[in-house]
Amino acid sequence: DVKVTQSSRYLVKRTGEKVFLECVQDMDHENMFWYRQDPGLGLRLIYFSYDVKMKEKGDIPEGYSVSREKKERFSLILESASTNQTSMYLCASSLAGLAVSYEQYFGPGTRLTVT
Amino acid sequence: AQKVTQAQTEISVVEKEDVTLDCVYETRDTTYYLFWYKQPPSGELVFLIRRNSFDEQNEISGRYSWNFQKSTSSFNFTITASQVVDSAVYFCALRGVGETSGSRLTFGEGTQLTVNP
Repeated sequence: DVKVTQSSRYLVKRTGEKVFLECVQDMDHENMFWYRQDPGLGLRLIYFSYDVKMKEKGDIPEGYSVSREKKERFSLILESASTNQTSMYLCASSLAGLAVSYEQYFGPGTRLTVT
Repeated sequence: AQKVTQAQTEISVVEKEDVTLDCVYETRDTTYYLFWYKQPPSGELVFLIRRNSFDEQNEISGRYSWNFQKSTSSFNFTITASQVVDSAVYFCALRGVGETSGSRLTFGEGTQLTVNP
């Protein structure tokens, strides 16, 4: 079974802190994604990566950065956390493919509260 | 740009009722994929089904069925004889093959389904 793990289920940080959210997948997937989930807005893509050291901005990248130094690990960084970044953060991974669209496998999520 | 609309924010039914979750999508791509995911209270999204734009056959899997209609740009999901364990948030998602990088999905807003005993 594919397993996507996230470093924390719950996290409380203060405004201005630098925050690292870690995601690890064990199925050798090329693609990895970071989403945030807010009530009434569904899932919105922050960043994704289709290879080591490669990254692309999603729909809402402002205030975030990412790092992918190894294939299995994809980190989301909040350089200076703000209260409007309080949200549920979901990591996902998938095989790569243009002709075929593979499903994404999701981690359990990290509920981040910024006070 | 792609868009997915799930107009039903919340649905509440009594156990054993049938329930249909609506999904309407917009895309300019001629080839695309549609997905349904389930998010139970534990939080982890679970993949349910994938459909490509060339396959309009309806699909049934146990109590779940999906109705894909390109003419109305809809991909609706029906649960027959609902059970309490079906309570979850359900997301419809779309990926157009016209996009060149990664496997970006566009998600709908989600429908919270509550099945009461």
